[in-house]
Amino acid sequence: AQRVTQPEKLLSVFKGAPVELKCNYSYSGSPELFWYVQYSRQRLQLLLRHISRESIKGFTADLNKGETSFHLKKPFAQEEDSAMYYCALRRADKLIFGTGTRLQVFP
Amino acid sequence: DGGITQSPKYLFRKEGQNVTLSCEQNLNHDAMYWYRQDPGQGLRLIYYSQIVNDFQKGDIAEGYSVSREKKESFPLTVTSAQKNPTAFYLCATTRPGGADGELFFGEGSRLTVL
Repeated sequence: AQRVTQPEKLLSVFKGAPVELKCNYSYSGSPELFWYVQYSRQRLQLLLRHISRESIKGFTADLNKGETSFHLKKPFAQEEDSAMYYCALRRADKLIFGTGTRLQVFP
Repeated sequence: DGGITQSPKYLFRKEGQNVTLSCEQNLNHDAMYWYRQDPGQGLRLIYYSQIVNDFQKGDIAEGYSVSREKKESFPLTVTSAQKNPTAFYLCATTRPGGADGELFFGEGSRLTVL
C-alpha cells in the first residue's frame, strides 16, 4: 500500500542550526513527492516538489529511491521557518499526506 | 485574497445532527477535494471530485456525503453516522489538468461536536 511516513512529530532547533525533516514513502511505481507547509494562521501551501529540483526559502529535498526517502533540508534554520511541514505522495489523481512534523526554531 | 472560501470557520453541533460545510472557489479549477486534519494523523482524504456531477470516495468517506452540482461548489455534509466528527476540515482544488499535482487549500472549517 502507498504510504508516507514522517517519524518525527516535533523537531526543535536553534536559529542557524541545520534542519532535516524526514520523510519516507512506500510506492510501487515512480513516485511524485511534495513538501507542504502550514505557517501559523496561514493556509497549507506547497513548498516544493521533487520534479522541480528547486530550492525554496533555502529548503531542498532530494528523492532517494534506494532509501525511499524525500527528506527536507535547510543548512541554516531561521525563526520564520517555524511551521508544520507535511510530506505528500501523489497517487493517481490524489495526494497522500504524512502525519506532519512541527518545526520549532528558537532564537 | 479569495480563491477558495470555506464557511463557516467554526461550527458547533450536537450529537445526532447533520451539518454541511461549504467550499466555494473562483479559480476555475476542475478538481476539488475534502481532507480532514487531526493532530498526529495528518491529512486524510474524505471525498474528491474531478468534474461536475461526479465524485469519488477517499480513504475515510464513511459518515460523510458530498455533491458537485456546480464547478465552483463542493459542499461536505457530516452526517450523524460519522463516529468522530470533531476535526478541522480542509477543502482544496487543483488546476485544470492537474498535471503538476499542486493543491490549493482553503482556510478550513473547525467542527466541534458537543
